[in-house]
Amino acid sequence: ETGVTQSPTHLIKTRGQQVTLRCSSQSGHNTVSWYQQALGQGPQFIFQYYREEENGRGNFPPRFSGLQFPNYSSELNVNALELDDSALYLCASSLERLEREQYFGPGTRLTVT
Amino acid sequence: SQQGEEDPQALSIQEGENATMNCSYKTSINNLQWYRQNSGRGLVHLILIRSNEREKHSGRLRVTLDTSKKSSSLLITASRAADTASYFCATDAWNYGGSQGNLIFGKGTKLSVKP
Repeated sequence: ETGVTQSPTHLIKTRGQQVTLRCSSQSGHNTVSWYQQALGQGPQFIFQYYREEENGRGNFPPRFSGLQFPNYSSELNVNALELDDSALYLCASSLERLEREQYFGPGTRLTVT
Repeated sequence: SQQGEEDPQALSIQEGENATMNCSYKTSINNLQWYRQNSGRGLVHLILIRSNEREKHSGRLRVTLDTSKKSSSLLITASRAADTASYFCATDAWNYGGSQGNLIFGKGTKLSVKP
């Protein structure tokens, strides 16, 4: 157990809807990164938040957005869901933004129908 | 895009045997990490090797890094059924044009250890 929690565990949405996924970082960690993992693939970096500011972004469209709160928990929002958004969404926390080791949560399995 | 490529894609061995997985990457890196993932759940960090290191050990794990060949290997000795999982290498290239916090993962090696 890493101490990183995510909710919900599973989610089913319809194409065009919006979804919010949540992540609580490990105690003392001020940095959260989000990844998307399609079936049979490795995780792909979406973005990172450090002290409530976006600190880096991968190759994802603007309909993927996020927030980090003063307690360093984080949300991932996806608008206008597409079928290809079906994936496991992982968040990872780290002590500082340049900390090399990241601690992953168990993930949220999103299915878009 | 994915930088790391693990080889083989799948590996099946008997308990007690050694398992070797390889990873190749494309750009200069700050460090390379190996993670384990059980049944599509969260990833567990196994070991990190820095670009100026050549070999690192942690329990039954041995990792090597060859920056001239842009490759790494993960050796699990005396494997157990509990080692059954997917194994990913991830490169950290934030000082070489990568985004901060962006670990770049390969597609993984699926290891099956039979009792």
